[in-house]
This record gives sequence, structure tokens and C-alpha cells, in this order.
Amino acid sequence: EVQLVESGGGLVEPGGSLRLSCGTSGITFGNAWMTWVRQAPGKGPEWVGRIKDSTQGATTDYAAVVKGRFTISRDDSKNMVFLQMDGLKTEDTAVYYCVKGLCTDTGCHWDDAFDIWGQGTMVTVSS
Amino acid sequence: QSALTQPPSASGSPGQSVTISCTGTSNDVGRHNYVSWYHQHPGKAPKLIIYEVSKRPSGVPDRFSGSKSGNTASLTVSGLQAEDEADYYCSSYADIKTLVVFGGGTKLTVL
Repeated sequence: EVQLVESGGGLVEPGGSLRLSCGTSGITFGNAWMTWVRQAPGKGPEWVGRIKDSTQGATTDYAAVVKGRFTISRDDSKNMVFLQMDGLKTEDTAVYYCVKGLCTDTGCHWDDAFDIWGQGTMVTVSS
Repeated sequence: QSALTQPPSASGSPGQSVTISCTGTSNDVGRHNYVSWYHQHPGKAPKLIIYEVSKRPSGVPDRFSGSKSGNTASLTVSGLQAEDEADYYCSSYADIKTLVVFGGGTKLTVL
């Protein structure tokens, strides 16, 4: 069974840091580009950033609102992806999802269609 | 404010059809045929129901269909069922700065 499981959320004060983890099973993790999407309460999802697979240098891209504060990394030996969040702001409060792009017979939609989502982990930034 | 604009609500009776719009710009919806749609039930993660404007992932009923014209994409849900009541979100591939943009969501009510 394909599964993504996030952990590490919680309550943190503005300016603080938090590290989210995403464990995966049932996917060929080494070839997968992994993405983080967040959803503030009552709002639509928001793309946070993405990490390519290691053969492509595990390069990353980030949304402008988190660039310079958030860092995505991966550990292929453990089939895990991480989101390090520094300089947290109240507007970062959201459920954070680890997601994977849809793969079909014709290829994978790493950056435009996400068919596998974790259950999400809540991050609350408040004093 | 979300990058893509959706109506906040839509409704229909069982068996009817309802269409939800998603308006972007020439830099996202208008430029790329990589529009996706998701629905989300309370307390659950979003579920992909349409990709590449009009394609359905395996297991998604053909009651769900998508289309695009210019900067506006649309999702049509035919033969409405009670289980279709959910929040619906569109998304589009955008550009190298922000790869993916989402809509603010449409709450679909089955009357």
C-alpha cells in the first residue's frame, strides 16, 4: 500500500523553528520528486516547495513566501523527506502535507498533479 | 488571496449537473494544459480527480469531467450524488518561481 506519513508538527512561537518529517512506503522513493503543500484553516492548498530525486542533484524549488526560511531535504536510505522551517511567522500556521505526483504510463506529473497525500501535520505559530 | 479564482459555493440536486469555474491568467491556466482538480471532504486530505485539464486518474468516475478555455478551466460533476458534497480546488502549473498555484476552493452542496 502506498503511504505517506508526516510527523513533527506542533505549536511554536514566532521566529522559532520546526522540522517536519515524511515517511514513505509503497513507492519507488529514489526516483520520486517529493513536494510539500500546506493548507491554512479554511483556505485553499498552497504549494510550499519540491525536491527532485538524487540523480538530478536533489535540487529544490520554493514558493517565494518561504524561500530563504524553509529547506527541503531527503534521505534516500530511509525513504524520507524533510521540511526544515526556520523564522516561522504566524501566517505559516497550516496543515502541512507531504505529496507525490501522479505517475502514468506516459510519465510522471511531479509538478502539476498530486495523487498521493499524507494525512497532514498541523503547525501552529503563535505566541 | 489565492492565485486562481473560484466561486465560493455551488449547489445542485441529486442527479443534476453542476459546473465549477477556475480563472487564472495567461501565465498559468492560459499557458499550460496542466490544470488539475481535487475534492476534499472534511478532515481529509485533498484527492486528485482531474489532471491535464480533462484526464481522470484510475478509479475516478466519469461523472467528473474537465475543460479549459483561455484563462478559465471548468469542472463538471454530472449525476450529482450525496458523496460529491465536498470542497473542490483547482490548480495549475505556473512558472519557475511558483511551480503550482491553487484556487481558493468551491464548496459544493448537494441539496
